[in-house]
Amino acid sequence: GQQVMQIPQYQHVQEGEDFTTYCNSSTTLSNIQWYKQRPGGHPVFLIQLVKSGEVKKQKRLTFQFGEAKKNSSLHITATQTTDVGTYFCAASNYQLIWGAGTKLIIKP
Amino acid sequence: DSGVTQTPKHLITATGQRVTLRCSPRSGDLSVYWYQQSLDQGLQFLIQYYNGEERAKGNILERFSAQQFPDLHSELNLSSLELGDSALYFCASSVGGDRGKAFFGQGTRLTVV
Repeated sequence: GQQVMQIPQYQHVQEGEDFTTYCNSSTTLSNIQWYKQRPGGHPVFLIQLVKSGEVKKQKRLTFQFGEAKKNSSLHITATQTTDVGTYFCAASNYQLIWGAGTKLIIKP
Repeated sequence: DSGVTQTPKHLITATGQRVTLRCSPRSGDLSVYWYQQSLDQGLQFLIQYYNGEERAKGNILERFSAQQFPDLHSELNLSSLELGDSALYFCASSVGGDRGKAFFGQGTRLTVV
C-alpha cells in the first residue's frame, strides 16, 4: 500500500540550531498535513499544504510542499525548548497515511 | 482542548480480558479514526468510520473491532488481550471523510498485565 517515508527518526540539536524533517511519497499526494506531538501529549494539527510548490510559514516554522506533490518538509529556525516533541506528516489521498515521525531532542 | 473526548484515560487489565474504549468526536465531525501508539513509536492507523459506516481499515487485529453509533460516538473493542497490546490508543475526528484535518483526543493508556 501507499507509504510515506519520514526522515530522520531523531534529530538532536543544540537550542538555537535549526531543525528539518522530510516526508517523501512515491505517489502524488492530494495534500499533506503536519502535526506536532509533545511528550506525553496527543498529536496537534499544525498546517495543511495543498498546492504544488506551496510554502507556508508560522513564526519560526516553514512548511514546503514539493513541485511534484510527492515530498514535503518542515523547517524550524532557531529551535527553542518549546519545540521539543515529535513531528508527523500525514499525507492524504483517500485516507491519511502517516509518516513515522521525527523526534526533536534538544541537547542539554 | 480539541473537543474530542476519550474515556477512560487509563486502563489496567489482565491478559485474556476484553475492554472497550470510548470516543466522542467534536460536534459536527462525521469521521472517527482510531490509532494505536506503542511506547515511543509512530501512529498506527487502525480503522476509520464515517457517518456510521466503516470507511477504511488499517492494521487492525482480528481481536479488535470498532463501531460508530448513530450519535456518532465510537467504541473500540479489544479482546483476548495480550501484553503487546499495551499502548496509547488515540481517537481522532474530522469533518469530512478523507482530507480534513484531524483533531485528537487525549488518548486512553492501556496497560495489560
